[in-house]
Amino acid sequence: KQEVTQIPAALSVPEGENLVLNCSFTDSAIYNLQWFRQDPGKGLTSLLLIQSSQREQTSGRLNASLDKSSGRSTLYIAASQPGDSATYLCASQGNDYKLSFGAGTTVTVRA
Amino acid sequence: DTGVSQNPRHKITKRGQNVTFRCDPISEHNRLYWYRQTLGQGPEFLTYFQNEAQLEKSRLLSDRFSAERPKGSFSTLEIQRTEQGDSAMYLCASSSRIDPPEEGYTFGSGTRLTVV
Repeated sequence: KQEVTQIPAALSVPEGENLVLNCSFTDSAIYNLQWFRQDPGKGLTSLLLIQSSQREQTSGRLNASLDKSSGRSTLYIAASQPGDSATYLCASQGNDYKLSFGAGTTVTVRA
Repeated sequence: DTGVSQNPRHKITKRGQNVTFRCDPISEHNRLYWYRQTLGQGPEFLTYFQNEAQLEKSRLLSDRFSAERPKGSFSTLEIQRTEQGDSAMYLCASSSRIDPPEEGYTFGSGTRLTVV
């Protein structure tokens, strides 16, 4: 059974600082890894999807890397803004099509 | 098509009552998933449809839960004789038929259930 862990559970930074969010998974036989953002009481918004054959994906200020051999993915958010405050979830997809989620990292960016 | 739609957004019910939630996936997606999320946790898989066929159910889904996807379009999730432990956010997602889905999962805004 895939176990996904996200560290740290919470993070508070001043505006402008770069964010580094970590995700680790126990089973490297994944199809892809997806990062989501969740605002309080809301659904999940997809940020980046990394296929198993890829090493990284970029979108604007966001960059996600994937190292299957070590079972790790990292989400980098450059020049953080108060609007980046949210919970960030990573999820791996196995060959059974199901997503296995971490518990998330709650980010607060202080103005 | 504006994405995955879920109704209602919020539902408050008394213990013992039945509730039903609806999910309308992205029209060209043939796979539909239900997940449940409790406070401070990541979503957990409940069940999955490919077209109208329910292919898998989690052990989290007791016999009080039933899900359908008639005609392979929208889906409903019904909870009978609700219990306080059923209080959670119920999330629906869909993905395309491509293996693996190049665009990943698209989630709806969820239905928050509170059982009092």
